[in-house]
Amino acid sequence: DTGVSQNPRHKITKRGQNVTFRCDPISEHNRLYWYRQTLGQGPEFLTYFQNEAQLEKSRLLSDRFSAERPKGSFSTLEIQRTEQGDSAMYLCASSMRGGLSSYNEQFFGPGTRLTVL
Amino acid sequence: AQTVTQSQPEMSVQEAETVTLSCTYDTSESDYYLFWYKQPPSRQMILVIRQEAYKQQNATENRFSVNFQKAAKSFSLKISDSQLGDAAMYFCAYLEGGSEKLVFGKGTKLTVNP
Repeated sequence: DTGVSQNPRHKITKRGQNVTFRCDPISEHNRLYWYRQTLGQGPEFLTYFQNEAQLEKSRLLSDRFSAERPKGSFSTLEIQRTEQGDSAMYLCASSMRGGLSSYNEQFFGPGTRLTVL
Repeated sequence: AQTVTQSQPEMSVQEAETVTLSCTYDTSESDYYLFWYKQPPSRQMILVIRQEAYKQQNATENRFSVNFQKAAKSFSLKISDSQLGDAAMYFCAYLEGGSEKLVFGKGTKLTVNP
């Protein structure tokens, strides 16, 4: 399978613990995105990378959240001191920037479902 | 800020029938894209269809078509000959030209009855 993969698929943690999620994009894709989806809502943009550079961050990405893409391939999203309000599905997507189109389709992974007890 | 509204939390359709899902959006931009994504239960989201705002012709992809009313800022999805595999959450999304940030609606849960 050459699609976007995310690990773990499910994570249960206690309030106050730190968690880290990983996203592996489609291999030739240079852009990578993180979204958060809470119950009954559509995904909300968190941040995106072009190669290893983080180019945009949402106000939703509080100081407890940090995302990295150190070598321009996989990315990690870390949440420190988790809170119950962090419970959500965290989606990763990737796209290939280039060509004549101003639009680059984002391909989504299956997500990591976080439950904070 | 751009917003996307899906006013139908749930819809149902009989197999082989046609169903239309509604979406409205708010923007002051002229260069943008609109999408419908499908999210099956416990599976990843996939793109169903997209529409460039500058194109007057409505997009079609096999059994899926859109009714894009730019002046009314309306973007509905029509699914013809509904199949059991069409059952999923459907999200309408907006992307401003040159931006990377998709803005999603809250979704419509589609049930297909055999």
